[in-house]
Amino acid sequence: TQLLEQSPQFLSIQEGENLTVYCNSSSVFSSLQWYRQEPGEGPVLLVTVVTGGEVKKLKRLTFQFGDARKDSSLHITAAQPGDTGLYLCAVPNAGGTSYGKLTFGQGTILTVHP
Amino acid sequence: KAGVTQTPRYLIKTRGQQVTLSCSPISGHRSVSWYQQTPGQGLQFLFEYFSETQRNKGNFPGRFSGRQFSNSRSEMNVSTLELGDSALYLCASSSDGDGSPLHFGNGTRLTVT
Repeated sequence: TQLLEQSPQFLSIQEGENLTVYCNSSSVFSSLQWYRQEPGEGPVLLVTVVTGGEVKKLKRLTFQFGDARKDSSLHITAAQPGDTGLYLCAVPNAGGTSYGKLTFGQGTILTVHP
Repeated sequence: KAGVTQTPRYLIKTRGQQVTLSCSPISGHRSVSWYQQTPGQGLQFLFEYFSETQRNKGNFPGRFSGRQFSNSRSEMNVSTLELGDSALYLCASSSDGDGSPLHFGNGTRLTVT
């Protein structure tokens, strides 16, 4: 059983469409991070959410942390081909000292067609 | 400021061989973490080093090892390579490895034949 369940696994949409990616768990987290990874590159941190119910915006991307801090969503408005990539949610090591360890979801592969 | 640098970018090895991967962190960062990324298992934590000491370790066999030098550069070694070790190996650095953001390199793509 995965600590973090991401859905959907794959998303193929046309430019201009909206989309939402989900990251769910039965555990409570002190914080949650979202990364984007483009082909041939390492993941890049997009945002960290720490407060239940928190909403953060990054241009056309809106991130929300669930009230109970067990889940999160990423919404992209008017998707563009440059948004194509692997979107990953991640949490610090649960139940112990973090020390460089993040547990990642399996990721959502987003393809935006022109 | 230069980012995290990993060398080499690509590597092809044969089963049974060993391999050493290198990571140079962002200047001033003292924590280096290593991750393995595969299509089936996703991103999995290998270990973390800070001031030349391993502080945290994931669930990988002893064939996977690492070290950190006094300049914070890190290497990881995989001995007796298996086909299943084929993966993208990512290194990430942070200032303290304890809550500060991780900055990832672009990885080393290892193929074991």
